[in-house]
Amino acid sequence: QPVLTQPPSSSASLGESARLTCSLPTDLNVKSYSIYWYQQKPGSPPRYLLYYYSQSDEGRGAGVPSRFSGSKDVSANTGILFISGLQSDDEADYYCMIWPSNASPWVFGGGTKLTVL
Amino acid sequence: QVQLVQSATEVKKPGSSVKVSCKASGGNFSTYAISWVRQAPGQGLEWMAGFIPLLNTPNYEQRFQDRLTIVADETATTAYMDLSGLTSDDTAVYYCTYLGDFWGQGTQVTVSS
Repeated sequence: QPVLTQPPSSSASLGESARLTCSLPTDLNVKSYSIYWYQQKPGSPPRYLLYYYSQSDEGRGAGVPSRFSGSKDVSANTGILFISGLQSDDEADYYCMIWPSNASPWVFGGGTKLTVL
Repeated sequence: QVQLVQSATEVKKPGSSVKVSCKASGGNFSTYAISWVRQAPGQGLEWMAGFIPLLNTPNYEQRFQDRLTIVADETATTAYMDLSGLTSDDTAVYYCTYLGDFWGQGTQVTVSS
C-alpha cells in the first residue's frame, strides 16, 4: 500500500488545466520534502518531470515544458502537479515520489491516470 | 545525457533467480547512482534498491532484503540486480534508473511454472 496517496483518476478538457495531488501521511510533513513527479505512458518507462521543494528550490527535467509546474499545499500536507494548456499527449499516468533521506527508500504514490477530454 | 540499456526479457520458474543488467553510457557518472524500481502488471511503481550516496552501500527495500542483491561495476559502467526465490508475484517490469532522472527501457520478468 503506497504511503503517498494519489487519486486513482482525474480528467480535464483539452486546453484547460489539471491539478494532480499527492497527499503525505501525517507523520511526514510536506514542508520537509522535495516532491518528485513522473509521467508514464503505456509500454514506456517513467519520465522524470520535475521536483518541487519551495518556490526557490524547484526544477524541471530536460525538455519538460513550463506547462508543468509543482507546488505544495502545506495546510493539506499535499504536493501538487499543475499542468496548464492540456494537450492530448498529456494523457498518462502520473506518479509522485519522495526520498526522505539518503539512507531511506524512495516512496511512490499509487499514481493518477489523467484523461484529457 | 545518460543512457541506460537493460538486458532482455526473462522467463523464470518459481524458486529460481533472475539477474538483470543495466549498461550506462553517455556521460561522466557513477554507476552507484543507479537504483532499481519495478512495476507489476497494472500496478504502480515500487522502489526496490539503490546505493546510499557517498557510502556506495546497497540500500534495500526491507521486504526484498533477504533475496535481492544489487551490484555496481564502475569499470564496466554496468549495474546488476539479482533477485532470488522468485514467485509469480515477482512478475513485473524491472527498471533501472539513474538518480530518477534517466530510466532504462525496462526488463520484463515473467515467473511461471
